[in-house]
This record gives sequence, structure tokens and C-alpha cells, in this order.
Amino acid sequence: EAQVTQNPRYLITVTGKKLTVTCSQNMNHEYMSWYRQDPGLGLRQIYYSMNVEVTDKGDVPEGYKVSRKEKRNFPLILESPSPNQTSLYFCASSLEWGAGYEQYFGPGTRLTVT
Amino acid sequence: GQQVMQIPQYQHVQEGEDFTTYCNSSTTLSNIQWYKQRPGGHPVFLIQLVKSGEVKKQKRLTFQFGEAKKNSSLHITATQTTDVGTYFCAEGGGSQGNLIFGKGTKLSVKP
Repeated sequence: EAQVTQNPRYLITVTGKKLTVTCSQNMNHEYMSWYRQDPGLGLRQIYYSMNVEVTDKGDVPEGYKVSRKEKRNFPLILESPSPNQTSLYFCASSLEWGAGYEQYFGPGTRLTVT
Repeated sequence: GQQVMQIPQYQHVQEGEDFTTYCNSSTTLSNIQWYKQRPGGHPVFLIQLVKSGEVKKQKRLTFQFGEAKKNSSLHITATQTTDVGTYFCAEGGGSQGNLIFGKGTKLSVKP
């Protein structure tokens, strides 16, 4: 089944404790991205990757890192999480980068930072 | 930067009533995508509009792209409880390849 998977689905952590949220897709998509969703703010893009080893900042990149060493995986790293990073995170992928390609979203990771 | 404004933010309807959400931009949009997110779920792609004045239908859903490509709408005829969720429009950002999402319209349907 074609899908985007994320782990963990839920995470409660403390300020400053490094964490990684994994994202994997099995559709051989070139383009992958991370979004955070907050009430009243909609979906905001954190980082995106147009292909392996090519990443770029989205609209809200501060406090996050990403890497794209393999085509299928695009982990999101929070080196020193803070409470303002409490949010619902979605990974997404599409066939290629550029306007007009349907994005497939993962199930989401609900992160709470205390 | 580019922005797509989506209205209304919330809409409560009685089952069987119609529903419309609007997406507006001050600049010309390259294309518009619409997504639906069920409560507790993730956004799911519904459709993409590319051409000026384009109209597409999916059963009770009608999607329109304005003639000037600065606005779009999603209209649901005779809503059902299964239509509950948040509807997002999103514009493909062109050379950056990133999608810019509107803030969404949350639809609730009273049986």
C-alpha cells in the first residue's frame, strides 16, 4: 500500500531533550516536506526537500533540522525542543517538486514539550 | 510573501444545506489544490485546478477557479455528516516547489 509513515504518533518530552520524528514514504517520491499545524494558523511548512541531499527552509524553520540521505526517508530533528514547538506535525511527499503535484500526508505526530 | 486567504473560518450547517468556502489571493495563483482533513486525521488531496475559469465536479462537490486566477471556491451541495472536517486550499508556490496553505474552513454538520 502506497503510504507515508511517521513515528512516533504521539510524543511528550521535556524542554531541551533532543528528539527525532521519522518519516518514510514507499512511493519513490522525490519531494518531501514537513508541516506543523496549530489552531488558527493552519498548515505551515517547516522544511522541504526536492531530492536526496537537497533541502531548503520553509516558512517556519527555526528550531528544526532535517536531512535527506535516502530518497524514502526525511527525518525531522529538534535539537533542543521548547514549549512553543508543541504542535501537530505532518510529513508529506509528492512525485516531484514544483507546482501542481498532489501531496500525500502522513498520519501526523502530536508533540508536547513541557 | 504569498498568501491565500480562506473564508469563512468556521461554518455550521444543518444536514442538507449547501456549503461554500472561498480562497482569495491578491496575486495571480499558479494553481490551486483543495484538501480535506477529517477530525483527528490528516489532509487528503481532493482536486487541483490550473486553468482560468476552470470548473470541476466530484459528486456533490464543485470546485471553481476564478477567471483572473486570484480566487477559488469549493461548494458542497446538500451536505451530509460525512462532509464534516476542515477544507484547505493551497497554492503551488512555483519555483520553490512548496505549497502555501490557507488557514482552512472548519465545517460542522448538524444531523
